[in-house]
Amino acid sequence: DIQMAQSPSSLSASVGDRVSITCRASQSIFNYVSWYQVKPGKAPKLLIYEASSLQSGVPSRFSGSGSGTDFTLAIISLQPEDFATYYCHQSYSIPYTFGQGTKLEIK
Amino acid sequence: QITLKESGPTLVKPTQTLTLTCSFSGFSLSTSGVGVGWIRQPPGKALEWLALIYWDGNKQYSPSLKSRLTITKDTSKNQVVLRLTNLDPVDTATYYCAHRRISLAGGKDFDYWGQGTLVTVSS
Repeated sequence: DIQMAQSPSSLSASVGDRVSITCRASQSIFNYVSWYQVKPGKAPKLLIYEASSLQSGVPSRFSGSGSGTDFTLAIISLQPEDFATYYCHQSYSIPYTFGQGTKLEIK
Repeated sequence: QITLKESGPTLVKPTQTLTLTCSFSGFSLSTSGVGVGWIRQPPGKALEWLALIYWDGNKQYSPSLKSRLTITKDTSKNQVVLRLTNLDPVDTATYYCAHRRISLAGGKDFDYWGQGTLVTVSS
């Protein structure tokens, strides 16, 4: 199985800050990574697909980068609605796996 | 506009079988490149992929749960059904269904999700 080591597990930041979340795959997965935002009681939301492509309708303050084994989700100028839990996901091979999540909290 | 909604029991007993239905609109599961998947999230834990079914009938399962899972589709009803047998309290989770998209470049992601349904396994 491909493991997705996501860090940090939690992050405290203020509105207006810039934050980064990383995922390291246990083997090369090319660019088969997507990023999701999850809030309690709401449908998870796709933010980034194929490592760096912004999903339609997602604000441009979100960006993704990386290839091979190392991937990053960056959020610039945090907004109140961005405080949530974020997950990376690899779709290179079965079992398709998610990272352990990063809970982004308001400082 | 693509929407998905999960339905099924909220409480099931250990050893029983869980049957969940994903009802969707805004797409057809007979369209090439389309699939529907199931993902779950135990309370306080991470997301876990369970199963996928594609427009051509191809099915994929998480190897760790494969012996207990069955995924089927009813294209005419716009529904996908997931069955999980021999339930245990560790199967307590919010279960999501999601639209699987395959791009021309081969990338795959879940671009639309349902809100999820919490299933508790307890006697």
